[in-house]
Amino acid sequence: LAKTTQPISMDSYEGQEVNITCSHNNIATNDYITWYQQFPSQGPRFIIQGYKTKVTNEVASLFIPADRKSSTLSLPRVSLSDTAVYYCLVAPSNTGFQKLVFGTGTRLLVSP
Amino acid sequence: DVKVTQSSRYLVKRTGEKVFLECVQDMDHENMFWYRQDPGLGLRLIYFSYDVKMKEKGDIPEGYSVSREKKERFSLILESASTNQTSMYLCASSTPGVSGSNYEQYFGPGTRLTVT
Repeated sequence: LAKTTQPISMDSYEGQEVNITCSHNNIATNDYITWYQQFPSQGPRFIIQGYKTKVTNEVASLFIPADRKSSTLSLPRVSLSDTAVYYCLVAPSNTGFQKLVFGTGTRLLVSP
Repeated sequence: DVKVTQSSRYLVKRTGEKVFLECVQDMDHENMFWYRQDPGLGLRLIYFSYDVKMKEKGDIPEGYSVSREKKERFSLILESASTNQTSMYLCASSTPGVSGSNYEQYFGPGTRLTVT
């Protein structure tokens, strides 16, 4: 599986746009990029998934450049409730789940 | 609404005890997973199952076993609990579908297990 690198933590203020970048230099052709959000004392929650270019849903946008060696999760106008840990996961969709590792994630703190 | 439930939120067991952690999903998902989460180490996959009575080892299966007798239920078993198995245990499920959807996993609330 492709190794991912994310910032350990980020700080922001309410109403700002937050961009969290994940580096995955050895991403394979059949790998997908998936982001999860985790609040304290809860399991992770799927946010968004993409393969290339841009994907947008009601929660976030995912930007993937042409070389796919990185991806950026964009959270528009964050609120206090967006304080959480965000995980980037890069893995193939149609093979086994062995060695599936979420990594340590990025801890986002949103302040008033 | 999608739901994955785990039998206990908190559990305290003694070293050497046999421990059962139960997970039930109501989404008719084929895939089910057990992870453990430890500070500084993220989530690590213990076992997963593609279907009833099928199981595959994940990254850290040592000291654990699993059972999937029914599609909706996936059990994690600690044959002889040890203190290094003190952790948060998370169950998840997903369904295979169009490319990529295997990674839309739905997680339960977790069980915080303490082994003393």
